Amino acid sequence: DTGVSQDPRHKITKRGQNVTFRCDPISEHNRLYWYRQTLGQGPEFLTYFQNEAQLEKSRLLSDRFSAERPKGSFSTLEIQRTEQGDSAMYLCASSFSTTSSGRETQYFGPGTRLLVL
Amino acid sequence: AQSVSQHNHHVILSEAASLELGCNYSYGGTVNLFWYVQYPGQHLQLLLKYFSGDPLVKGIKGFEAEFIKSKFSFNLRKPSVQWSDTAEYFCAVLDTGRRALTFGSGTRLQVQP
Repeated sequence: DTGVSQDPRHKITKRGQNVTFRCDPISEHNRLYWYRQTLGQGPEFLTYFQNEAQLEKSRLLSDRFSAERPKGSFSTLEIQRTEQGDSAMYLCASSFSTTSSGRETQYFGPGTRLLVL
Repeated sequence: AQSVSQHNHHVILSEAASLELGCNYSYGGTVNLFWYVQYPGQHLQLLLKYFSGDPLVKGIKGFEAEFIKSKFSFNLRKPSVQWSDTAEYFCAVLDTGRRALTFGSGTRLQVQP
């Protein structure tokens, strides 16, 4: 399977702990995105990378959240001092684009479901 | 800020019935619109997309959507649904500046055999 992969698929943690998720995009995709989805809602944008540069961050991404894409390939999303409100599905997507215009399609991974107790 | 409204939260149909799911968007820039589908236990998959040109776009599995600029709508249609179409459907608009997709809250479609 050459789609977007995410690890782990499920994570249960206690409030106050740190967690880290990994995303491997489709090979050769230069853009990578993180979204969060809560029950009954559509995904909400968190941040995106073009190659290794983080170019956009949502207001949803508090100081406890940090994302990296050090070599322009896989990405990690870390949540420090988790809170119960962080419980959600964290989705990763990737795309390929050579221009600053639209006409790109984001392909999603299976997500990491986080439960904070 | 852009937004997407999906009016139908839960739709129940019998097999062979026709489907139309509503989607209205609010966005001031160049419109790029998408429908994604999430089958039970699976990840979000692209159903179809509109960038420009013919406002009637065809996607996979017999789905189509019509972009009506004057109504800010991008409704999804299928003439005859199957049990395997049971899924959650999300409409989304791309913010071409921030590269962020804004999704609607989704429509859960249940097709009864």
